[in-house]
Amino acid sequence: DAKTTQPPSMDCAEGRAANLPCNHSTISGNEYVYWYRQIHSQGPQYIIHGLKNNETNEMASLIITEDRKSSTLILPHATLRDTAVYYCIVRVPRTYKYIFGTGTRLKVLA
Amino acid sequence: NAGVTQTPKFRILKIGQSMTLQCTQDMNHNYMYWYRQDPGMGLKLIYYSVGAGITDKGEVPNGYNVSRSTTEDFPLRLELAAPSQTSVYFCASSSPDPGNQETQYFGPGTRLLVL
Repeated sequence: DAKTTQPPSMDCAEGRAANLPCNHSTISGNEYVYWYRQIHSQGPQYIIHGLKNNETNEMASLIITEDRKSSTLILPHATLRDTAVYYCIVRVPRTYKYIFGTGTRLKVLA
Repeated sequence: NAGVTQTPKFRILKIGQSMTLQCTQDMNHNYMYWYRQDPGMGLKLIYYSVGAGITDKGEVPNGYNVSRSTTEDFPLRLELAAPSQTSVYFCASSSPDPGNQETQYFGPGTRLLVL
């Protein structure tokens, strides 16, 4: 089934790059990897997604390994406002279902 | 655009009562989802819909019902509230882009406490 594995928590110093890993070894060939974050108890917010190639937008960069079994979300200059739970998700193949795991709780330290 | 709106923001129910959580989106998205999030946990999919008149079960559908009579609205019904349904409920919507990319937009959530 479409499942992702992430470390439960990470700390990062303010101004440094935050690298959040995700394992998705069962991903199928044409499914995207999506990243969301949830600040406090707000609704999750979309960050970025990718299929094979590395992606970058104004919020983050996404590095996907060549075998597509894992990816890393990079926040290049973390700020205190980036403290949140970060979710890496994939779609269950041949469905419209997305499975959220427990995510990585990122704490950015002053 | 207001995006995805949910009402109410907070509700206390007694065991056995029923209620409907409302969700509306103004982005003309075909796909809509209901998730629940228990304290300290990730989101679990309850039900989803790929268009008006079409709904399907997610991971944890027991105790809930949905309907989708319009593109904009996707209400979630709790028939006999139980303490195990104490949670935060999030509604989301999305629409596939070329290449089947889907970005989900989430509402602010409804906090439900069942006593």
